[in-house]
Amino acid sequence: GAVVSQHPSRVICKSGTSVKIECRSLDFQATTMFWYRQFPKQSLMLMATSNEGSKATYEQGVEKDKFLINHASLTLSTLTVTSAHPEDSSFYICSARGRTATYEQYFGPGTRLTVT
Amino acid sequence: SQQGEEDPQALSIQEGENATMNCSYKTSINNLQWYRQNSGRGLVHLILIRSNEREKHSGRLRVTLDTSKKSSSLLITASRAADTASYFCATDASGYALNFGKGTSLLVTP
Repeated sequence: GAVVSQHPSRVICKSGTSVKIECRSLDFQATTMFWYRQFPKQSLMLMATSNEGSKATYEQGVEKDKFLINHASLTLSTLTVTSAHPEDSSFYICSARGRTATYEQYFGPGTRLTVT
Repeated sequence: SQQGEEDPQALSIQEGENATMNCSYKTSINNLQWYRQNSGRGLVHLILIRSNEREKHSGRLRVTLDTSKKSSSLLITASRAADTASYFCATDASGYALNFGKGTSLLVTP
């Protein structure tokens, strides 16, 4: 099946610094990638949708200047959390869709961000 | 915004028993999907059921979909301790992003 990787799996950073999370589709071309955030014991909340070569579409309440998303190629999307604060600590999960008719999204394993 | 609502929020059963989780949603959908998430891990896709399907099976999993009631159920038969996880339903209304429910936390004790 299709594989999506994320890097890093865990990251700890200090308040005020920026962190970049990578999401890669390993064996298919991802025309669309999604970024979700999950707080402990809660569900996944969609943050933004990105299509290769175009600007990301952010969900209401998500600051686009704080969560920078770049989808520069059909296999890579990055999420940069700028000027991180402790409240940004969360589990960030990406997913990717290819050019198929099955509607399936393939999820990455997630990145645990802790801001101290 | 979240659309799916799972019921119950938590479920505790013994190995060998069946586990049933329900999901309700609010708007028309293209398909509904169920995912499993082990603590602190990523999502595992379990099954997808399209809006024109009523029931689907995969191994010990059985999913039903009632579009008139806007509800779905996931049945896990002969549960095992390894089935302990959180289970989420997710609706696909637009062909793009999924809307996840709040999830059911399943505990299967030996």
